[in-house]
Amino acid sequence: DIQMTQSPSSLSASVGDRVTITCRASQDIGNDLGWYQQKPGKAPKRLIYAASTLQSGVPSRFSGSGTGTEFTLTISSLQPEDFATYFCLQHTSYLITFGQGTRLDIK
Amino acid sequence: EVQLVESGGGLVKPGGSLRLSCEASGFTFSIYSMNWVRQAPGKGLEWVASIGSASDHIYYADSVKGRFTISRDNAKNSLYLHMNSLRAGDTAVYYCASVRATDDFWGQGTLVSVSS
Repeated sequence: DIQMTQSPSSLSASVGDRVTITCRASQDIGNDLGWYQQKPGKAPKRLIYAASTLQSGVPSRFSGSGTGTEFTLTISSLQPEDFATYFCLQHTSYLITFGQGTRLDIK
Repeated sequence: EVQLVESGGGLVKPGGSLRLSCEASGFTFSIYSMNWVRQAPGKGLEWVASIGSASDHIYYADSVKGRFTISRDNAKNSLYLHMNSLRAGDTAVYYCASVRATDDFWGQGTLVSVSS
């Protein structure tokens, strides 16, 4: 099975900050990776697909990069509504796997 | 509008059984592989099981293998998860979801609580 290692597990930041979250895959997954935002009591919402393509309707302050085994989600200028938990998800096979999540809190 | 609506969750005693359902609408359900994903209280997301569009390619997480069965009825646009021998560790919100590069659909989740 493919393991996804996400870091950091938590992050404190301020409105306007630039933040970066990383996921590392245990084997090459090409660009079969998505980044998700989840708020309490809600289903995950995909922000980025194919590692770097912005989902329709998602603000351009979100961006993704990487291929193969190393992937990054960047939020260029944090807004109050961005404080949430973020996950990566790989779907290169039927056995999808998630990163452990990054909780983004207000500093 | 795409919708996935889960049902069937509830409180069950350890060792008990439940069947979750997920009714799909707004997309061609029969051509999509589907997944069950769960999230224990305060924890991250865990993939549980997946099924191919023609009920082929069925896979389970090790934590549920032998206890859970995923199935689908394309004529009814429905996905199922039969859960047997439930344990406290199975307590979670269960989501049905389809994840592809270009499409990504999630239900709102149904809560399963296993407790005596």
